[in-house]
Amino acid sequence: GENVEQHPSTLSVQEGDSAVIKCTYSDSASNYFPWYKQELGKGPQLIIDIRSNVGEKKDQRIAVTLNKTAKHFSLHITETQPEDSAVYFCAAVVGSNSGYALNFGKGTSLLVTP
Amino acid sequence: EAGVAQSPRYKIIEKRQSVAFWCNPISGHATLYWYQQILGQGPKLLIQFQNNGVVDDSQLPKDRFSAERLKGVDSTLKIQPAKLEDSAVYLCASSFGRGQDTQYFGPGTRLTVL
Repeated sequence: GENVEQHPSTLSVQEGDSAVIKCTYSDSASNYFPWYKQELGKGPQLIIDIRSNVGEKKDQRIAVTLNKTAKHFSLHITETQPEDSAVYFCAAVVGSNSGYALNFGKGTSLLVTP
Repeated sequence: EAGVAQSPRYKIIEKRQSVAFWCNPISGHATLYWYQQILGQGPKLLIQFQNNGVVDDSQLPKDRFSAERLKGVDSTLKIQPAKLEDSAVYLCASSFGRGQDTQYFGPGTRLTVL
């Protein structure tokens, strides 16, 4: 099955700096890569996603890049704010007749200090 | 638009007892998922429904876990008997269809097995 590795496990940045989280996946058939933000006591919330036919996608301060050859994708957050502090999960999806389960990384705990 | 609802939010039981979790997906969403999230890890899919049929339950420990979605709307996940290692957050998610449709998560039920 799909195996998603995520680094780093913790990340601390100062407000205004950029944060980068990296993920690798194992199954070359994976074709959809969402990123989720999870705040304490809440369920994961989609913040951005990218499909395998696109190399980069941007939404305001958040961007995601995908390198299918190397099988890795990254989340970039610019001009970080204290409210960006949360746990971020990457995921990879392989479609099959049995469904489209999200295979998550282990998460990155991001702390943005004022 | 109302989100995914789950209850209870917290549950504490002793090992070998039984427990049930309830999920109400977003109106109109055909696909419903149950995930298990152990502390410090990403969510792991337990079971996926398409309307009232099971699409994927390959990672559901069927000797103790069961789930149903009888009318294609609400769903119940049951554990009987519970083990210490079942302590986790149980997340319900729903999506409009299958494939690359966004999965929306509920707040989760935090289960502690003593």
